[in-house]
Amino acid sequence: DTGVSQDPRHKITKRGQNVTFRCDPISEHNRLYWYRQTLGQGPEFLTYFQNEAQLEKSRLLSDRFSAERPKGSFSTLEIQRTEQGDSAMYLCASSFPETYRQYFGPGTRLTVT
Amino acid sequence: GEDVEQSLFLSVREGDSSVINCTYTDSSSTYLYWYKQEPGAGLQLLTYIFSNMDMKQDQRLTVLLNKKDKHLSLRIADTQTGDSAIYFCAEGFNDYKLSFGAGTTVTVRA
Repeated sequence: DTGVSQDPRHKITKRGQNVTFRCDPISEHNRLYWYRQTLGQGPEFLTYFQNEAQLEKSRLLSDRFSAERPKGSFSTLEIQRTEQGDSAMYLCASSFPETYRQYFGPGTRLTVT
Repeated sequence: GEDVEQSLFLSVREGDSSVINCTYTDSSSTYLYWYKQEPGAGLQLLTYIFSNMDMKQDQRLTVLLNKKDKHLSLRIADTQTGDSAIYFCAEGFNDYKLSFGAGTTVTVRA
């Protein structure tokens, strides 16, 4: 399977704990995006990378959130001191250079209790 | 600003055509997209249209774009039970990020 993969698919954590999610894009896709989707809403843009450079961050990405893509391949999204409002589906997408088609992974569903 | 609106629900009989509508406010969008999301799954890119086009057809899917009215629609011909899902309209911009609507839940009844 050469699609976008995300790990874990589900994560349940207690408020105040840190969590980290991983995204593996389609190989040769140099752009990687993170979105957050809450129940009944469409995905909201969080941040994106071109290769290893983080080029834009949404104001939704508070200082408790950090994303990395150290070698320009997989990416991690970490949430520190989780809050109940962080409960959502976290989606990753990737795209080829200079194209406008983003392909999404299956998402990581986070539940903060 | 970026604001994409869609009707929330659509019920259609199997074999009929479905039409899902979307309006957007930002005329600087480069591409407009339709994504499909099945329960518990990620988003599947169905089709997209460049902002200077007014129609695109892809098998059972027809996209119509009225740029003057900022209105986008997706027609699904011969709707099947497997088409039951949430459909998202999205705008894309030169910085490549997407702005999504809240989604239209399509239910196909026998």
